[in-house]
Amino acid sequence: GEDVEQSLFLSVREGDSSVINCTYTDSSSTYLYWYKQEPGAGLQLLTYIFSNMDMKQDQRLTVLLNKKDKHLSLRIADTQTGDSAIYFCASSFVCSGNQFYFGTGTSLTVIP
Amino acid sequence: DVKVTQSSRYLVKRTGEKVFLECVQDMDHENMFWYRQDPGLGLRLIYFSYDVKMKEKGDIPEGYSVSREKKERFSLILESASTNQTSMYLCASSLLAPSTDTQYFGPGTRLTVL
Repeated sequence: GEDVEQSLFLSVREGDSSVINCTYTDSSSTYLYWYKQEPGAGLQLLTYIFSNMDMKQDQRLTVLLNKKDKHLSLRIADTQTGDSAIYFCASSFVCSGNQFYFGTGTSLTVIP
Repeated sequence: DVKVTQSSRYLVKRTGEKVFLECVQDMDHENMFWYRQDPGLGLRLIYFSYDVKMKEKGDIPEGYSVSREKKERFSLILESASTNQTSMYLCASSLLAPSTDTQYFGPGTRLTVL
């Protein structure tokens, strides 16, 4: 199956940009997603990118996909304390009945 | 708005008890999933179901079973709870085919087994 990896922790200062990285192993991934989990809550979809795209921008969020290196990143501009959460990347495939493969999650701490 | 609800936010059970975790979705989704979330391990898939009365094992099915008698409801059963099943349990639902219509998650049930 797919292996999705992320670093566990990231700290940034309020107002700086955050970059959360993710690598995956299966090049046939169809969609790649970023989810946010606030303390005590379930996962909430932040954004997604289709595998034939390189970049997607949505307000403060920029997703970059490097298919050759199987590398996905999420950049949060002007990071705020409300962005402190765990961020998960995930992939899905056409042939898997929409089974998702999640990374371990990156805990983002924003320092005021 | 898609809604995925889970029967309890917090649950405390004793070793050996039978535990039922219920999940209900209101979007007529074919797929439903049960994950457990542990620090440093991310989300691990326990079981999923792509239709009523159908179930498939995920990555860590041992010690769990599931039931899907109706399309909107997917139950996770711990036949005899053990302390290593203390965890956060997340239910999700989705359409059958991959799309931008992603997996929708419930708020989670934090289960403690004493």
